[in-house]
Amino acid sequence: QKEVEQNSGPLSVPEGAIASLNCTYSDRVSQSFFWYRQYSGKSPELIMSIYSNGDKEDGRFTAQLNKASQYVSLLIRDSQPSDSATYLCAVYGAGNNRKLIWGLGTSLAVNP
Amino acid sequence: KAGVTQTPRYLIKTRGQQVTLSCSPISGHRSVSWYQQTPGQGLQFLFEYFSETQRNKGNFPGRFSGRQFSNSRSEMNVSTLELGDSALYLCASSSGTAAYEQYFGPGTRLTVT
Repeated sequence: QKEVEQNSGPLSVPEGAIASLNCTYSDRVSQSFFWYRQYSGKSPELIMSIYSNGDKEDGRFTAQLNKASQYVSLLIRDSQPSDSATYLCAVYGAGNNRKLIWGLGTSLAVNP
Repeated sequence: KAGVTQTPRYLIKTRGQQVTLSCSPISGHRSVSWYQQTPGQGLQFLFEYFSETQRNKGNFPGRFSGRQFSNSRSEMNVSTLELGDSALYLCASSSGTAAYEQYFGPGTRLTVT
């Protein structure tokens, strides 16, 4: 089992819809969770961080964390073509694994 | 506040050569992490430096090395380049504290021929 798993996609949604991106992780004691957006040919950009169970909202983005289920998600409301990118989930490990563990990313395409 | 800078942005080298990449973190940040990114492999962690000390290391051969200076600037060196080393090399800056948010530089695109 990979430490951080994401559906590779591509996930295709129409403009204006809600895009839902999911991530599961294996290290039960992880405490910090991040979502990054990466446009083709560019470097990853941090868009959300979440540390506690529940929802965290920032503009059109909502991160949801469920530590019991070891699951973190990102919702993008009112999706725009400019949201088309690869979304990377990263989890900060604990114990002897104190570094960011990365998923392979989910490719999102928002169709006008 | 200035972001993370990396130099050079593009590099073409020949097999067997060595290369040094540079990264200047965000002012005040003491942690610098290096990643290799190739299509299909995702972000592969190379190492992290914090206050001039290597704090963590990924599973790369000894040809990959790094260091950090007292001003937090970091360099990464790859010796005896192989074709498979062609990749985007990314540097990420962090305060190094518990929050651990990382901010990436634009990357160095290395091509080995």
